[in-house]
Order: sequence, then structure tokens, then C-alpha cells
Amino acid sequence: EPEVTQTPSHQVTQMGQEVILRCVPISNHLYFYWYRQILGQKVEFLVSFYNNEISEKSEIFDDQFSVERPDGSNFTLKIRSTKLEDSAMYFCASSDSIGGEKLFFGSGTQLSVL
Amino acid sequence: DAKTTQPPSMDCAEGRAANLPCNHSTISGNEYVYWYRQIHSQGPQYIIHGLKNNETNEMASLIITEDRKSSTLILPHATLRDTAVYYCIVRVAVGQNFVFGPGTRLSVLP
Repeated sequence: EPEVTQTPSHQVTQMGQEVILRCVPISNHLYFYWYRQILGQKVEFLVSFYNNEISEKSEIFDDQFSVERPDGSNFTLKIRSTKLEDSAMYFCASSDSIGGEKLFFGSGTQLSVL
Repeated sequence: DAKTTQPPSMDCAEGRAANLPCNHSTISGNEYVYWYRQIHSQGPQYIIHGLKNNETNEMASLIITEDRKSSTLILPHATLRDTAVYYCIVRVAVGQNFVFGPGTRLSVLP
């Protein structure tokens, strides 16, 4: 079964540094998402992306965050200046239809900000 | 905020049916009920969804009450690999993003 791939699986960074989390969505999917989960807490929506632009974003997704689809296969989440509270598991997801019932999630990138 | 209420945890014996309840008393007529699960901090996995009719697929069955204020996810023969957090989510079919609540932590016991 096709799957969403995320790299790296773990990322450790110093506070204030920039990080880029990478995702390869399922190849025929057109809708892309980032969610995050702080340890022991709920899965939280960050942003959705379609046709090279943001469709919706949450309050969490402030000016420190950006997303990009630099080529036909990758989808990235950039955090410009990381804070301690950005430490979380970040999940990428994709679907083949807008508001699709089936979001396919990757295995996540565990980001630790020291 | 999540529009659903689920018990925080449940146990189920391996091989038995797991029945996971969900209350969604404020559900609107155009909102669907979705179930996802998350196994040990992996990404959430889609299970099933429905509007008002009962649904069944290879993973589970979804029973929605006639007034649509509650539903039950049924795993007919639970295995140890079904141990996970199960999320019941209501949303319109198109446009809204999924809002995950705390879910039910199902432990399948040998």
C-alpha cells in the first residue's frame, strides 16, 4: 500500500535554530497537511495545502512556520526560529480529495528543541 | 474543540469484540462520524466513517444510533495489534479539518 514518508524520524536542534521537516506524500494525492502532537497531548492541526497555497491554518501556525512544495514530490514544514515549546511529533498527511475522509499519515518526525 | 465524548480507556480480551462508544449529541445533519486510531505514537490511521447508516469494512463496523447522537465502533475480533488510541471525530464531509480529541485508549489483553 502506498505510504507517506517523513524524514528525518528524529531531529534535535538548539533553540533559535531553523529546522526543515520533510515529507513525501502519496504520489497521486493533491492535498497535504501538517499536524503535531506534543508528548501526552492531542493531535493538533497546523496547516493544509493545495494547489501551491495554504488552504487553512490554525492559530499554532504563526509567522515562524512556513510550508512549501519545492518540487513534484516533496512537502516541507519550516520552523524559522525554534522554541522549546515546538518540541513535538510532527505528522505529515495527504489525501486525494479536498476534505478527504481518508487522510494518510506518515510516521512522524520527533522534533526536540534544546 | 472536539465535539465528541469518549471514555478515556477500555480493556478487551484478545479474540473478543471491542465495542468503543462515542457520544456526539450536538452533531449537525451534514456532519459525518469518523474513526481513526493511533498505534503507539505512529501517525493516525483511518478506520471508517458514516453519516447515518451503519457501515462495515475490512477493519471494523460502525453503528450509528437513529438520532445520530451516539455511535459505536466495533472491532469484531480484537487482536493485540489493535491496542491503540481510538479517535471519534465529527465533521462535515468537505472542507473542515479533523479535530482530534483525547480518544479512547484500548488495551487488548492476552
